[in-house]
Amino acid sequence: KAGVTQTPRYLIKTRGQQVTLSCSPISGHRSVSWYQQTPGQGLQFLFEYFSETQRNKGNFPGRFSGRQFSNSRSEMNVSTLELGDSALYLCASRTSAEGAAFFGQGTRLTVV
Amino acid sequence: KQEVTQIPAALSVPEGENLVLNCSFTDSAIYNLQWFRQDPGKGLTSLLLIQSSQREQTSGRLNASLDKSSGRSTLYIAASQPGDSATYLCAVNGGSYIPTFGRGTSLIVHP
Repeated sequence: KAGVTQTPRYLIKTRGQQVTLSCSPISGHRSVSWYQQTPGQGLQFLFEYFSETQRNKGNFPGRFSGRQFSNSRSEMNVSTLELGDSALYLCASRTSAEGAAFFGQGTRLTVV
Repeated sequence: KQEVTQIPAALSVPEGENLVLNCSFTDSAIYNLQWFRQDPGKGLTSLLLIQSSQREQTSGRLNASLDKSSGRSTLYIAASQPGDSATYLCAVNGGSYIPTFGRGTSLIVHP
């Protein structure tokens, strides 16, 4: 069974640009969550989607948005990039809210 | 608001030692607790999931226990190996269904 796949693995963007990250969950998993990881803040929850609906949202500005498609694949978009958005972005999939979370390898975003 | 603390923050041990990593949480109303390892620059690898009704889970050299009433979980690593070097994180899944992560324990096992 294939794991969680995130693309691309690495990205370099310029301040002010926007970026879209993709996450394909494990087959059968309907919940996809996104996290931002930085050395200073650790793992911070961005949002969770379940069956195409955003179920939970963390404390991030509106520049961070996401969506989930009918096949459970999810995308995360960050607009008007800032230097502080440089981080490892991780997505995780679960069968249900109480299930084990399985993570992808992450997308390393560098904003210059 | 759930808070998760992991102690110690860093640990360096010689190969072969048995280790205990600690995770404490402030709100005992949880569904489950999950332990992960993370290698530098990589994603998180799930190690063990303990449901709130369980006391412990085992996988190979790893054993995780959960004491919900005291808000504590421990990850026991037997006969540590250099390949165990990584950061170990615990995540508590509570009523909001948003897992709360600790900051992790950075483990180095030297030959």
